[in-house]
Parts: sequence; C-alpha cells; structure tokens
Amino acid sequence: SQQGEEDPQALSIQEGENATMNCSYKTSINNLQWYRQNSGRGLVHLILIRSNEREKHSGRLRVTLDTSKKSSSLLITASRAADTASYFCATDAWEYGNKLVFGAGTILRVKS
Amino acid sequence: DVKVTQSSRYLVKRTGEKVFLECVQDMDHENMFWYRQDPGLGLRLIYFSYDVKMKEKGDIPEGYSVSREKKERFSLILESASTNQTSMYLCASSLLQGAAETQYFGPGTRLLVL
Repeated sequence: SQQGEEDPQALSIQEGENATMNCSYKTSINNLQWYRQNSGRGLVHLILIRSNEREKHSGRLRVTLDTSKKSSSLLITASRAADTASYFCATDAWEYGNKLVFGAGTILRVKS
Repeated sequence: DVKVTQSSRYLVKRTGEKVFLECVQDMDHENMFWYRQDPGLGLRLIYFSYDVKMKEKGDIPEGYSVSREKKERFSLILESASTNQTSMYLCASSLLQGAAETQYFGPGTRLLVL
C-alpha cells in the first residue's frame, strides 16, 4: 500500500459545512503537502507543513500534523460548491529519496 | 504564474503504436516530472529530470522512456503502447531540487490505448 492514505475515500457535505480529510503515512517525513484536483484537471498546491510544525492556516484551510500518530488532517471551513474536488496528501521522506509520494485522494462533493 | 502545458488533453492510440506526450513549462524550473494517475491508486511517478539531458526512473518506469533536450521541455515516450497504459498522464515542474518544493502541474493528458 502507499505511503500516504487519505480517509475517507469520498465525502459529501452541504454548502456551509466544514469538511475534514485525513492522511496517514508510514515512515517519518520531512514535510507533507496537500493538493487539490478539480475534475479532469491537473493538481494545484494548497499548503505545505513541515515535520516540526503542528498546524498551518491558509484562508479557509487548516492543516494539522501529528508526527507521533503519523497523520495529518485538512479542514476546509464554510465549504462552497467550488470546493468540490479531489484532495491529495503528498509526503516527502528520506526513505523515498527526493520524491513526493502521493496518496489515493479524497473525493469531496459540496452540494449547494 | 507558472504555466505547465501538455500537448494534448485527449489521445486515442492503437496497441503497438509509439506515443509521444509533450510537456512544456515557462518558468525556468529545474525539475520536471511525469506521473500517471489511475482510480484508487493516486499519482505514481514514472520518470523525473533534474537537469537537461538528465533523467531518473521513478516508481513505474517500465514501458516508458523520457527525453529532456531543453530545460523547458520534458517528453514522455511510450515505445509500444499497450492497453494497460490507458491512463491520465500528468506532467509537473518545480523550481529547485528537493521534495519540499511545490510542484506545478499541467492539465493532464487522458490516453486511451485500443
């Protein structure tokens, strides 16, 4: 299985609600990134959190990192229909060399 | 803004054909990457390049080759296309070496091999 695994695989919420997606990984990491992919398009970088950080914010996004549990979460507050997309975590670890390793993603659907 | 373009959004090819996927970035980035994306598997790295004429194998290089003759252009070549290479192919670039760098993605090429 992969280094990063997102949970849940799919999430459906109403506009205005918060959406939380989780990422678990296996080996110690240097940093973790979150990306968004709109349907049929390329990925867009959202946020990077380093292994010595516990929380970062960017607009309506909040990312946490718990290195003891080898997990990260992405919270989108006050979701909008435009947030409908797939969300991927990507990890950078010494074990994997100079490469990002992507998880399988969470599909988020925000209903208006 | 960084722009990464891919030569085709959709391609249909026949088994055994040689297929070229082109990727161009306009921001003088050092690094370029080719991924394939399949449902439930996320993105898997095929090849990457840290410099002109330099290439390194990713996790799934079998059946593929690459070419980087110019800094801005990174080509993925399917020597003899097979049906199991039907997939979404994504090109990306990043400014400097290191996985901490943000990767900028192209829109993707959806390849169907018949």
